[in-house]
Amino acid sequence: EIVLTQSPGTLSLSPGERATLSCRASQSVSSSYLAWYQQKPGQAPRLLIYGASYRATGIPDRFSGSGSGTDFTFTISRLEPEDFAVYYCQHFVTSPTFGQGTKLEIK
Amino acid sequence: QMRLLESGPGLVKPSETLSLTCTVSGDFISSDSYYWGWIRQPPGKGLEWIGTISYSGYTNYKSSLKSRVTISFDTSKNQFSLKVSSVTAADTAVYYCARLVVTGLPTNYFDFWGQGALVTVSS
Repeated sequence: EIVLTQSPGTLSLSPGERATLSCRASQSVSSSYLAWYQQKPGQAPRLLIYGASYRATGIPDRFSGSGSGTDFTFTISRLEPEDFAVYYCQHFVTSPTFGQGTKLEIK
Repeated sequence: QMRLLESGPGLVKPSETLSLTCTVSGDFISSDSYYWGWIRQPPGKGLEWIGTISYSGYTNYKSSLKSRVTISFDTSKNQFSLKVSSVTAADTAVYYCARLVVTGLPTNYFDFWGQGALVTVSS
C-alpha cells in the first residue's frame, strides 16, 4: 500500500509570501494519479490540482503543482488571505490514499 | 451545476448500523466516466477513504473496513448509499460523498464533494 507523507506538518507564512508544500510517496507512483485538495474549517475539501500539475476548473494560476516518481510539490506563488487552510495530497493505485495534510497558517 | 448532498441520522448507538445517503443533482449517476465514493474525517484528523462504487456495481472498499461497509446505488433516485455496521466511537466522523473521475488521463481524482455530514456514535 502506498503511503503519502506530507511536509511540513504546519507552515507559517505571511500574505504575499510563497508557499511550498511537499508530498512524498513510499514508492514511485504515476504523476497522472496525483491530486491536491484544499480544506478550510467546516468545509469539504476542494480539488485544486490533478495529474500532479493540472489546475482544476476555476483555480487561480497562483496555485501550481509539479513532481514525479516519489516527490511531488505544491506551490502557492503569492499567498492571499483566503489561502490559509489545510492541504492534502491524494494518490490512486488500486484505491485512493490521502496524505496526512499540511496546515498553512498565518504568521 | 453538479451537487452532492449527504443525508442521514447524526447520532448512532454503538453496535448499530450507520446509514447515509448521497443525493446527486446536476448530472446522472449512471455514467462510466465516474465512480462514486465515501470519505470520512474524524474530528481534528485527516481524510480517510472508505470505498467507491461504479455504475456497473463494482465496489472497492478500504481493506480495514471491508467487513463492515456496504455501498450501493438507487439509480431511480440518483442516489448512492453507505452502510457501516457494528459501529464504535472510532467511527465518529464527518462523512463526505464525492465523485471520482476514472476516465482519461490524468484521472482518479475526486472533483466534486458533498458538504459533509457529521455522524456521532454514542449511547
